[in-house]
Amino acid sequence: KAGVTQTPRYLIKTRGQQVTLSCSPISGHRSVSWYQQTPGQGLQFLFEYFSETQRNKGNFPGRFSGRQFSNSRSEMNVSTLELGDSALYLCASSFGRRPYNEQFFGPGTRLTVL
Amino acid sequence: KNQVEQSPQSLIILEGKNCTLQCNYTVSPFSNLRWYKQDTGRGPVSLTIMTFSENTKSNGRYTATLDADTKQSSLHITASQLSDSASYICVVSTLGGSYIPTFGRGTSLIVHP
Repeated sequence: KAGVTQTPRYLIKTRGQQVTLSCSPISGHRSVSWYQQTPGQGLQFLFEYFSETQRNKGNFPGRFSGRQFSNSRSEMNVSTLELGDSALYLCASSFGRRPYNEQFFGPGTRLTVL
Repeated sequence: KNQVEQSPQSLIILEGKNCTLQCNYTVSPFSNLRWYKQDTGRGPVSLTIMTFSENTKSNGRYTATLDADTKQSSLHITASQLSDSASYICVVSTLGGSYIPTFGRGTSLIVHP
């Protein structure tokens, strides 16, 4: 069974631009969560989608948004990029939303904002 | 404020030795605690998941414990291998419809031959 895939793997943008990252979950998984990882803050939760609906949202500004499609694939968008948005963006999928549902992470998209 | 504190920040051990990593949390209401292993440049991989009623969970050479009363967890690695060199992250999620996770900053483990 294929794992979680994220595209692109690396991205370089300039301040003020916007970016869209894509995540394809493991087949059959309906929950997709997004995380930001930086050396200074560590891993932080962005949002979670389940059945095309945003279920939870972390403490990030409105410039960060996402959506989920009917095939459970998810996209994350960051508008008006800032230098501080440089980070590894990780996507994780799970079968459901129960506490014991294991999350499987993708390899991440490394975003660099210049 | 929900917080997860991990110690030590970094640890160097010799191959074959055992080690224990600590995680203290103030997340409330508690739902579950997870330990992840993250190799450099890769996404985290789940090691164990424990809910409120569980106090021990093993996964091969990895054994996690949970004391919900003191809000502490530990991850014990037995007979370490070079491949155990990684960052180990403790994650605690809240109860209810919002399983919002709070992450620790991780313990960086280096295993030397």
